[in-house]
Amino acid sequence: QVHLQESGPGLVKPSGTLSLTCAVSGGSISSTNWWNWVRQPPGKGLEWIGEIYHSGTTSYNPSLKSRVTISVDKSYNQFSLKLSSVTAADTAVYYCAGRRDGFASFDYWGQGTLVTVSS
Amino acid sequence: EIVLTQSPGTLSLSPGERATLSCRASQSIRSSHLAWYQQKPGQAPRLLIYGASSRATGIPDRFSGSGSGTDFTLTISRLEPEDFAVYYCQQYDSSPPTFGQGTKVEIK
Repeated sequence: QVHLQESGPGLVKPSGTLSLTCAVSGGSISSTNWWNWVRQPPGKGLEWIGEIYHSGTTSYNPSLKSRVTISVDKSYNQFSLKLSSVTAADTAVYYCAGRRDGFASFDYWGQGTLVTVSS
Repeated sequence: EIVLTQSPGTLSLSPGERATLSCRASQSIRSSHLAWYQQKPGQAPRLLIYGASSRATGIPDRFSGSGSGTDFTLTISRLEPEDFAVYYCQQYDSSPPTFGQGTKVEIK
């Protein structure tokens, strides 16, 4: 059973860069899964940020594409999110999630981590 | 992008009753690319249904999904106390994947 765990700072200053890591256990990051980031502002719905395959192929939400970078580190079996030029609107619970190649659904989810953008 | 509209926004029901949740897409979606999730307060979403009608591992058979084209439905045949939560539909027929705004199933 794949287990995902997010980590990173819970507070980021406006105009700074949000950086999170998702550790994958119970499976290899080089398996046939796409590794995703999804966020949820407090009290609101879910927004897909982007995904990466172990080959390094990425896909990003056009609404965030200019500010997002997702990368994979096979040696540590983890993947990461960087979101630049953050504002208060980026305050949210950030989830990492896994999607099986060829499937549309997100089967595996981390517990989520709250990131607040504030000075 | 494909917009998913869920209705109703809130469903007030009693344990043992049947819940019917709707998800309508702004354009036709292949059934294999529609999923449903359950989310409880403070928890991550949990996959219930994939491919519009296939239950994920460990999901009780009181949960069922149906639909095609632009109209999809999640049915909970008899509500258990642990089923009161927010439910989201999601598509990945085209990028970016999108979620509906959610339906809250609350205890009446």
